Amino acid sequence: DIVMTQSPDSLAVSLGERATINCKSSQSVLYGSNNKNYLAWYQQKPGQPPMLLIYWASTREPGVPDRFTGSGSGSDFTLTITSLQAEDVAVYYCQQYYSSPYTFGQGTKLEI
Amino acid sequence: EVQLVESGGGLVQPGKSLRLSCSASGFTFDDYAMYWVRQAPGKGLEWVTGVSWKSGSIDFADSVKGRFTISRDNAQNIVYLQMKSLRHEDTAFYYCGKSRIVNSNDGPIDSWGQGTLVIVSS
Repeated sequence: DIVMTQSPDSLAVSLGERATINCKSSQSVLYGSNNKNYLAWYQQKPGQPPMLLIYWASTREPGVPDRFTGSGSGSDFTLTITSLQAEDVAVYYCQQYYSSPYTFGQGTKLEI
Repeated sequence: EVQLVESGGGLVQPGKSLRLSCSASGFTFDDYAMYWVRQAPGKGLEWVTGVSWKSGSIDFADSVKGRFTISRDNAQNIVYLQMKSLRHEDTAFYYCGKSRIVNSNDGPIDSWGQGTLVIVSS
């Protein structure tokens, strides 16, 4: 199974500042035949199911604000949230869907 | 609008069985793989299993392999998770999810249900 490791486990950022969350996979999730990284990012707020933010490592889901940006390739990925808003307080997860079981990272708790 | 509604959760004794259902609407059900993801209270997300758009099972997490099965009824737009030999550590919210990618087994989850709580306890 592919192991997904996020860093840090928790993060405190001031309003209006930038937050950076990292995700590393134990093997590459880049599929050579289509040059796509099978990596997604989710946001989960308390008492709610997760919400898809980004897939293919950098494609923003419709309706997701452009302050959320995904980057990286192969085994190393980053979710960047610029100009942090109060409503961005949540737990963020990465997930690989390259090889089943489609494992998640342990989550990163983002606080103000 | 996509809607996913889980049901069937509850309190169950260790060693017993339980079947969860996920009723789907708002999309062409048999074009998409469907998944189950669980979350123990206060913990992270764990991908449990998935069923392909062609109705074959995708895989299972090691923690449930041999005990859980997944199936889908494309006529009724329902996904089932049959859980056997339940353990304390299976206690969690179980979420049903829809793949983002049409006609593919490999996809992120773009729609989630609200979850159903399974408590395994004597």
